[in-house]
This record gives sequence, C-alpha cells and structure tokens, in this order.
Amino acid sequence: GENVEQHPSTLSVQEGDSAVIKCTYSDSASNYFPWYKQELGKGPQLIIDIRSNVGEKKDQRIAVTLNKTAKHFSLHITETQPEDSAVYFCAASKGGSYIPTFGRGTSLIVHP
Amino acid sequence: NAGVTQTPKFRILKIGQSMTLQCTQDMNHNYMYWYRQDPGMGLKLIYYSVGAGITDKGEVPNGYNVSRSTTEDFPLRLELAAPSQTSVYFCASSYMGLALTGELFFGEGSRLTVL
Repeated sequence: GENVEQHPSTLSVQEGDSAVIKCTYSDSASNYFPWYKQELGKGPQLIIDIRSNVGEKKDQRIAVTLNKTAKHFSLHITETQPEDSAVYFCAASKGGSYIPTFGRGTSLIVHP
Repeated sequence: NAGVTQTPKFRILKIGQSMTLQCTQDMNHNYMYWYRQDPGMGLKLIYYSVGAGITDKGEVPNGYNVSRSTTEDFPLRLELAAPSQTSVYFCASSYMGLALTGELFFGEGSRLTVL
C-alpha cells in the first residue's frame, strides 16, 4: 500500500518567516495530494490540494509543489502569522479508490 | 449544515467495557471514514465505507467494528476495550462522484481513555 513520509515533525519559525513542509510518497499511481491543517482541539481541515497533472498551486500565502518524478510534494507558507500555528498533515491517494494515506504530521509553531 | 457530528466528545472506559462512538453527517456524502490519532503517529484508518451497506477494513481494524445502515450514520463499536485503544478518534466523510473533489470533512473528534 501507499506510504507517506512527512518532515519535519516540528517546525519553529518567527512571525513573517517562510515555512516549508515536505512529504514523499511511495505509490506512483497516487494522483491526488491534499494538505490539512489541524488546530488545537479540532478536526483537520483541507487548506489546499494538488492533482498530478499540475506542478504547482497557490492560494494567497500558501502554495503546494509536486514533483512526480521524485515522488515528493511540499507545502510552502509565506509571511507566517501566529494563527498559522497548528499541525499540518499531507496525504496521498489515487483515483478509483479514494482512501487517503496521511503523513505523521508537522507541528508548526510561529513565534510573534 | 452541521457537517460531521461525533458523540461523545470525551469518554473514560474501563478495560473490557464496550462502547459505540456515534458519527452522523448531513452533507449526503457517500464515503465515510474512521481514523484514530495518536501523538506523533498521524491519522490511521480504522474502517471506511463507500456507501450504505458497504464497509471495509483500513490499516488498524482490530478491536473495532462498524456498520453503515444509512447514508448519514457510521457508528464505530469498540468491543472489550484495551489500553491500546486510548486515542482520539475522528470520523470523516467525503463525496466521490463525477466532481471527484476528494476533500474529507472531519468531525471534532472523540477522546477516549481506557483505564
């Protein structure tokens, strides 16, 4: 089955800095890569996703890049703010059987 | 829309007891999932369902059972609770159809402690 590795497990940045979280996947048939944000005491919520026919996608301060050859994808957050502090999960899945496999999560801490 | 609703939010069980975590969604989603979240371990899939009457095992199904008699409800049953089942449980739902959005909508979680 699919295996998703996520790094780092903890990321501490100063407000205004950029943050990058990286994930690798094992199944070359995977074609959908979402990112979820989990705030304390809440369930994860989708913040951005990318499909395998696209190399990059942006939404305001967040962006996701995908390298299919290397089987890795990354989340980029620019101009970080304290409210970006949360746990971020990457995931991978393939069409036909939409059952995502999640990475272990990254705890992002943004210091004011 | 309430989205995905889980009950209870917190529960303490004694070893060997049984209980059911309830999950209901009002978005007419066909897919529903149960995950458990342990510190530093991410989200592990317990069971999932692609529609009423259809369920299948995920990565960590042992000690759990599910049923899906309606589109809206997907309860998770714990039989003979063990300390290893201490975790936070999340129910989620998604719509898989022509739109193929793929987004999972999660409930707020149920924190279970087995002592």
